[in-house]
Amino acid sequence: AQKITQTQPGMFVQEKEAVTLDCTYDTSDPSYGLFWYKQPSSGEMIFLIYQGSYDQQNATEGRYSLNFQKARKSANLVISASQLGDSAMYFCAMREENSGGSNYKLTFGKGTLLTVNP
Amino acid sequence: NAGVTQTPKFRVLKTGQSMTLLCAQDMNHEYMYWYRQDPGMGLRLIHYSVGEGTTAKGEVPDGYNVSRLKKQNFLLGLESAAPSQTSVYFCASSQVPGQGARNQPQHFGDGTRLSIL
Repeated sequence: AQKITQTQPGMFVQEKEAVTLDCTYDTSDPSYGLFWYKQPSSGEMIFLIYQGSYDQQNATEGRYSLNFQKARKSANLVISASQLGDSAMYFCAMREENSGGSNYKLTFGKGTLLTVNP
Repeated sequence: NAGVTQTPKFRVLKTGQSMTLLCAQDMNHEYMYWYRQDPGMGLRLIHYSVGEGTTAKGEVPDGYNVSRLKKQNFLLGLESAAPSQTSVYFCASSQVPGQGARNQPQHFGDGTRLSIL
C-alpha cells in the first residue's frame, strides 16, 4: 500500500483564489512528520511547511497552511490568494521517526501539478 | 550560502558507461540522501547515509553504489549505466531531527539530469 497518496494529478485555480491540495498517508508509527515541497518548472525542490504528528495546532507559513486531520490521516495543503508564481508541482512527504534505524528518510507522494490561471 | 551542490547538472551517457554524481553540502548535516525522480513517480530514495563512513540502501538501490568518505560529500556511482537509469537525480541533506530540530526539512540540491542512450 502506498504510504503517501496524492489523488489529484492536476489542479487549476484562478489567481487570488484559495486552493486545497490533498494528501493522505498511512503509517503505524505514532511519531511522524509531514512535509510539503514545491517544485517549479526550473526543477528545484523548495520546502514549504511541516506538520508534526504531536503538534496540537495546524501549521501555517505565510500563505500556506496545513489542514491536518490526524484521525483521517490527511494533511492537505491550503494555498490562500493564489499567485501566478504558485504554478508548480507540489509534493507531500512523510518522515516516520520511530522506524527501525534512525534514518529519518522521506517517503514522497507522486505530486499534484497546480496551474494558476490569470 | 551554497547549501547542497550537485555536479554535474546534465550528463548524457552511453549504455555500459560508468560515472559518479557528486553532492556536497556546507551545512554540517549528518544525514545525506540520493533520490531519483521519474515522471509520475515522485521521488524515490536510492541510498542514504547517517554519517561519515556509513551508507544504507533505500527503496531503489539496484545498479547504484554510494560512498561517504567525508561528512560534507556523498557520491552516487553508476558502474554500468542502463537506459532505465535515465532520470533526474536529487541529493539532499538534513540535521538529525532528534537534536531539537524535528521540524527541520531535508535540503535539496538542484538536481542532475542524466540521460542514458
